[in-house]
Amino acid sequence: GENVEQHPSTLSVQEGDSAVIKCTYSDSASNYFPWYKQELGKRPQLIIDIRSNVGEKKDQRIAVTLNKTAKHFSLHITETQPEDSAVYFCAASERTGRRALTFGSGTRLQVQP
Amino acid sequence: EPEVTQTPSHQVTQMGQEVILRCVPISNHLYFYWYRQILGQKVEFLVSFYNNEISEKSEIFDDQFSVERPDGSNFTLKIRSTKLEDSAMYFCASSSGPIMNTEAFFGQGTRLTVV
Repeated sequence: GENVEQHPSTLSVQEGDSAVIKCTYSDSASNYFPWYKQELGKRPQLIIDIRSNVGEKKDQRIAVTLNKTAKHFSLHITETQPEDSAVYFCAASERTGRRALTFGSGTRLQVQP
Repeated sequence: EPEVTQTPSHQVTQMGQEVILRCVPISNHLYFYWYRQILGQKVEFLVSFYNNEISEKSEIFDDQFSVERPDGSNFTLKIRSTKLEDSAMYFCASSSGPIMNTEAFFGQGTRLTVV
């Protein structure tokens, strides 16, 4: 089955700096890669996703890049703000859509004011 | 905005007891999921459900677990004989289509504590 590795496990940046979180996946059949943000004690919420026919997607300060050949994808947050502090999970889902998501281990992002 | 709702928010149970966690998915959604998250760890897939049957289940979802959609609105997860290691946050999720095509919306979770 799919295995998703995520790095780093913790990331501390100064407000206004950029943050990058990286994930690799094992199943070449995976073709959908969402990112979830989870604030303390709350539900995971989708912030951005990318499908394998696209190499990059951007939504305001958040962008995701995908390299299918290398089987890795990354989340980029620019101009970080304290409210970006949370745990971020990457995930992957394979082609048929019957399978649910396989999550990475999470990155705790701390944005220092 | 429509939401997935879960009850109870916190359940404490004795080891060996049965628990039922309840979820009300978003009303026009057709695909339903249960995940769990042990404190400080990743979110793990348990089971997916579509067209009144299990689509896929993980190795965690053994004979102690079952799911049911008893009526048109509820989706339940039953753990027959709870163990200490079942203590976790359990999230229900739903989507209107296959997860590769549509967003999965998560409920707020049920924190299960087995003592």
